[in-house]
Amino acid sequence: EVQLVESGGGLVQPGRSLRLSCAASGFTFDDYAMHWVRQAPGKGLEWVSGISWNSGSIGYADSVKGRFTISRDNAKSSLYLQMDTLRAEDTALYYCAKDSGLYYDSGGPTYYFDYWGQGTLVTVSS
Amino acid sequence: DIQMTQSPSSLSASVGDRVTITCRASQSISNYLNWYQQKPGKAPKLLIYAASSLQNGVPSRFSGSGSGTDITLTISSLQPEDFATYYCQQSYNTPRTFGQGTKVEIK
Repeated sequence: EVQLVESGGGLVQPGRSLRLSCAASGFTFDDYAMHWVRQAPGKGLEWVSGISWNSGSIGYADSVKGRFTISRDNAKSSLYLQMDTLRAEDTALYYCAKDSGLYYDSGGPTYYFDYWGQGTLVTVSS
Repeated sequence: DIQMTQSPSSLSASVGDRVTITCRASQSISNYLNWYQQKPGKAPKLLIYAASSLQNGVPSRFSGSGSGTDITLTISSLQPEDFATYYCQQSYNTPRTFGQGTKVEIK
């Protein structure tokens, strides 16, 4: 059974940092790209960042570029999101999601997020 | 970035009703379109990919159709467990943008 378990969320002051983790199990982690998707309270889904199977290609939403860093450790089947210089507008539930393919930026009809974690809540407030 | 616009943003329907949700892309995306269902307090769940292919385990009352800029999700006979928010997502290019969501509520 595929499982994605996020951790690391919490209350943090504006300008501070936080590191999210996602522990994966039930599938061959290094066969798939991974993503972070967030959802602000009462709002829709926003793609945040993606990383290919071998960390060879990485992408970010414009809203977090230069402040967030995605990484993965295939030996530990884990995905990370280092979030620096946090802002109030980063407050959201952060989901880890498994891609159906190897590369986070593949385009085509068979690329989708087939498994999601339950999310970890990040609240940025003074 | 490709903009995805869903209509309606919300709808009220009764059990047994036929429901259709439309996703419009700001440019042609062929059939590179996914649909997700999200229930309150839960993570999104993949329903349909490639505009019309049902993910394993998804009931056959869900169907998708269309290509190009306008793609639809249809629930043929709404069931109590289908009351949720539905999101489309394009897989044509990066970022794989989502629609704003359509909330399906009980009438």
